[in-house]
Amino acid sequence: DTGVSQDPRHKITKRGQNVTFRCDPISEHNRLYWYRQTLGQGPEFLTYFQNEAQLEKSRLLSDRFSAERPKGSFSTLEIQRTEQGDSAMYLCASSPGGGDNTEAFFGQGTRLTVV
Amino acid sequence: GENVEQHPSTLSVQEGDSAVIKCTYSDSASNYFPWYKQELGKRPQLIIDIRSNVGEKKDQRIAVTLNKTAKHFSLHITETQPEDSAVYFCAASRPLNKLTFGTGTQLKVEL
Repeated sequence: DTGVSQDPRHKITKRGQNVTFRCDPISEHNRLYWYRQTLGQGPEFLTYFQNEAQLEKSRLLSDRFSAERPKGSFSTLEIQRTEQGDSAMYLCASSPGGGDNTEAFFGQGTRLTVV
Repeated sequence: GENVEQHPSTLSVQEGDSAVIKCTYSDSASNYFPWYKQELGKRPQLIIDIRSNVGEKKDQRIAVTLNKTAKHFSLHITETQPEDSAVYFCAASRPLNKLTFGTGTQLKVEL
């Protein structure tokens, strides 16, 4: 499968614990996005990278959230001191990013449940 | 920032009928408008998109129209089939920028 892959698919954690998710974009896609989706809502933008540079962070992203893309390939999203309100589907997407081509392809997501 | 509104939130049609979903956007600098289909428990999948230099685009039973002046765009599905049942999201973005999504439309195609 050469699409966007995310790991793990599901994560259950106790409130207060830290969690980390991984996203592997489509090869040679230099743009990588993180979104959060709750039930019945559209994906909400969290942050995105152009290669290894983090270009924008949403105001939704509190200080407990951090994302990295150290070598411009895979990315990680860490949530520290998880809260019940963090329970959601975390989606990663990638796009070629060159020229006018902005099609974004999504991964299967990581469903986080904070208990 | 961009704000995208989507209507209706639910839509039920008979198999073979047409379905229309409408979205409005607020940022006049947005130039890219994709539509995603999301089945329960699955990833959003791009089904069609349109750029601001085009007024209409068609791909088999699916078409999208864009009115830049009014800042609205629509998805049209003709000859609906049960497998079209899903949640559909519209989105808008500036060049090479993040997508802002609508709240989704639950489409149900009844036999």
